[in-house]
Amino acid sequence: KNQVEQSPQSLIILEGKNCTLQCNYTVSPFSNLRWYKQDTGRGPVSLTIMTFSENTKSNGRYTATLDADTKQSSLHITASQLSDSASYICVVSAGGGNKLTFGTGTQLKVEL
Amino acid sequence: NAGVTQTPKFQVLKTGQSMTLQCAQDMNHEYMSWYRQDPGMGLRLIHYSVGAGITDQGEVPNGYNVSRSTTEDFPLRLLSAAPSQTSVYFCASSYSIGPTVDTIYFGEGSWLTVV
Repeated sequence: KNQVEQSPQSLIILEGKNCTLQCNYTVSPFSNLRWYKQDTGRGPVSLTIMTFSENTKSNGRYTATLDADTKQSSLHITASQLSDSASYICVVSAGGGNKLTFGTGTQLKVEL
Repeated sequence: NAGVTQTPKFQVLKTGQSMTLQCAQDMNHEYMSWYRQDPGMGLRLIHYSVGAGITDQGEVPNGYNVSRSTTEDFPLRLLSAAPSQTSVYFCASSYSIGPTVDTIYFGEGSWLTVV
């Protein structure tokens, strides 16, 4: 069964600090991996999309990495801001790409 | 761009009632889908469509019905609401699906409570 596990479940950091969120997956055959940001009460918004051949993708202060051999991905947030407080969801696409498996998300809170 | 628009934002239903969640996109996307998001679980696919007139079931289709008469609209119908259908529903769209890196756009969600 395809699975996506994210850690930690929740995280609190001070504004200006960096953090790294983890995503481990057991999805086969792998097609691509996506990171989404979901603000409370809003829909998910795409941050990055990576294929098998990509191991790093950046979007502003967000940098995602992918290790297809170990089936792990991370999302690194640099110089956090209060507006980064949200749930971050890892999504892995399998097969022809129309089978999406969603993680349960990491709830990040950035405090002053 | 409006993107993906869902209505209503909030709805309370009584058990046994029926209703339709509306979803419209203005990006000329072929692929549209409906998900539900429950506490402690990842989003789960209810139904999807790869183009006008074509729909198929996802992971949790029971109790829901869809149709795709136009490229823009993809309504989700709850046939006879049950408390187990209390959830947050998201509509999503993309140019295509498959071995592609097309961005999937989500609507803002519809909060449904069945009492």
